[in-house]
Parts: sequence; structure tokens; C-alpha cells
Amino acid sequence: EVQLVESGGDLVQPGGSLRLSCEASGFPFNTYWMTWVRQAPGKGLEWVANIREDGHETSYLDSVEGRFTASRDNDKNSLYLYMTRLTVEDTAVYYCTRGDRILDHWGQGSLVAVSS
Amino acid sequence: DIQMTQSPPSLSASVGDRVTITCRASEAIRNSLTWFQQKPGKVPKLLIFASSKLEAGVPSRFRGSGSGTYYTLTITGLQPEDFATYYCQQYSSIPITFGQGTRLEIK
Repeated sequence: EVQLVESGGDLVQPGGSLRLSCEASGFPFNTYWMTWVRQAPGKGLEWVANIREDGHETSYLDSVEGRFTASRDNDKNSLYLYMTRLTVEDTAVYYCTRGDRILDHWGQGSLVAVSS
Repeated sequence: DIQMTQSPPSLSASVGDRVTITCRASEAIRNSLTWFQQKPGKVPKLLIFASSKLEAGVPSRFRGSGSGTYYTLTITGLQPEDFATYYCQQYSSIPITFGQGTRLEIK
């Protein structure tokens, strides 16, 4: 069974940093692109970033480019999202998802709340 | 970026009804479209990919169709568990973009 378990969400002040983690199991992690998607409270879904199987290619939403960094450790079957210079607009549940185009499995999400 | 315009924003229907949700892309997306279902407090669930292919385990009352810039999700014979919010998503180009969602409510 495919499982994706996010962690690391927290309340952080504007301008702060945070790292989200996603531990994958039940599938060959190193053969899949992975994607981060977020959902602000009461709002729709927004693609944030993706990362290639080997970790050497990434793409980002314009509004997070230069502030967020996606990475992965295939030995640990783990995906990461390092977020810096956070703003209130980054407040959302962040989902780890499998795939780069068709997102067929989603984690339960990790809440990032940016507030002073 | 490709804009996805989903309609209607909300929809009221009864058990047993047939409903259709539409999604229009700002440019042709060559059937690179998925539909998700999300219930309150839950994780989005993939229903349909490649415009019309049913994800494993999804009931056949869900049907996707379309081409070019215009796509639809039809649910025939609504069941109580179908009342949820539905999102379309294009994956023709990065950034992936989602429609704004359609909230399907019980009449």
C-alpha cells in the first residue's frame, strides 16, 4: 500500500523558515517524480513544486521560486520542502503527492501557519 | 500559465440525479486533465486521468470527457457519498494548474 506521511508543519512568524518532510513507503520511491501541492484554508488546490526521481531537476511556482527548495533522499525514501522568507500567503496545508503530472497518491497534509 | 475555469462554483442536486461539471482551459491541453474529489477535512482523491480514464476503484457512474480546451465530469445516479468538492487539473504544462472547484451539495 502506498503511504505518504508528511511532518514538520508548524506556526511560524512572517520571514521565518520551515522544513517539511514526507516519508514514502509501499512503492519504489526512487522511480517516481514527486510533487508538493498546497491548499490555503477554505481555498482550492495550488501546485507548489516538483522534483525528478534523481533529485537533479526541480520546478517551482513563480511565487515561491527562490524561497522554497524541494529535495529528496532516495536512501531514506523521503521528500523535503525547505521554505524560507515565509509570508502569510504561504499559510496552507501542504500535501506531498506521487507523480509529476498525474498525482495519484496524496499524503494527509501538513499545516503551515504563518502569523505574527 | 494555463488557466482552468471550472463551472459552476456550486451545485445542488438530489440522490439519483445526473450532474455535469465543466472545466475550460485557456489553451488546448490535449486531454491532459484529471478530476479530483475532496470531502471536507479529507485528502483529494484522484477520480479520472487523461480526461476520461477511470482511476482504479472509482465507480463507473463517474465519467470524464472532452477535448481541446473543454472538458466535463458527469456523475450519473448521484450517491450520498458523492457530495463533495470536485477539482479539475491540467498537466499539459508546468506549472500544473487546478480549477477553482465545484461544491456539490445535497438539495
